[in-house]
Amino acid sequence: GESVGLHLPTLSVQEGDNSIINCAYSNSASDYFIWYKQESGKGPQFIIDIRSNMDKRQGQRVTVLLNKTVKHLSLQIAATQPGDSAVYFCAAVRGQFYFGTGTSLTVIP
Amino acid sequence: NAGVTQTPKFQVLKTGQSMTLQCAQDMNHEYMSWYRQDPGMGLRLIHYSVGAGITDQGEVPNGYNVSRSTTEDFPLRLLSAAPSQTSVYFCASSYQTDTEAFFGQGTRLTVV
Repeated sequence: GESVGLHLPTLSVQEGDNSIINCAYSNSASDYFIWYKQESGKGPQFIIDIRSNMDKRQGQRVTVLLNKTVKHLSLQIAATQPGDSAVYFCAAVRGQFYFGTGTSLTVIP
Repeated sequence: NAGVTQTPKFQVLKTGQSMTLQCAQDMNHEYMSWYRQDPGMGLRLIHYSVGAGITDQGEVPNGYNVSRSTTEDFPLRLLSAAPSQTSVYFCASSYQTDTEAFFGQGTRLTVV
C-alpha cells in the first residue's frame, strides 16, 4: 500500500509571502504525485502534478518539488493571495490514489 | 463539459434506510472512484472501477455497494445506513489510474 502524511495540519502566511506545504509518502514504488486544493464546501481541485522521473515542475505561481531519496514532496505557492486560503492535499498514485490528511492554509491580509 | 456530477448535494437518512448516491461523468473516463472524507482522516477510498463491468474494493468498502453498467455512471449504494456513515462523499474520475482525477462537488450525508 501507501501512506501519505502532511507535515503541518495548519499554516498561516502573510499575503504576498511564499507558502511551502510539505508531504511525505512511504512507498518508493509510487510514481505519480498530485497536489489538490479544496475550498470549503467544494470538491478537491487539481493544482499541479509530477511524475517520478522529474524532481521539479512549475505552474502558474506554484512549484512542486519531489525528493525521491527521502520520499518527500512539497508545494510552493509564490506571492500567496487571500484566494489561496484552502485545504491542500497531496496524493501519491500507485494503482490507486492515496491521499494525505490535508494542510489548511490561511492567508493573513 | 459538466465534468463529474454528483447528486444529491445533501441528504439526511434514518438509521437502517438505504439510498443511492449518483455519480456521472461526461469525459469518457475509464477510472471512477468513491471516497469518503471525515475530519482528520483525509480522503479514504471506498470502491473503484477501472471500466464498465469492473469494480473493486478500496480501503473502507463495508456497508457500500457499487456497480458500473456504463462508462458514464458509477452509483454508490448504502445498504442499511448507520450513523458511522455520516460523512462527505466524493466521486472522482480519471482517464487512467495514473492521470489527474477530477472530483465532483460532494454529497454531505447525515445518518440519524
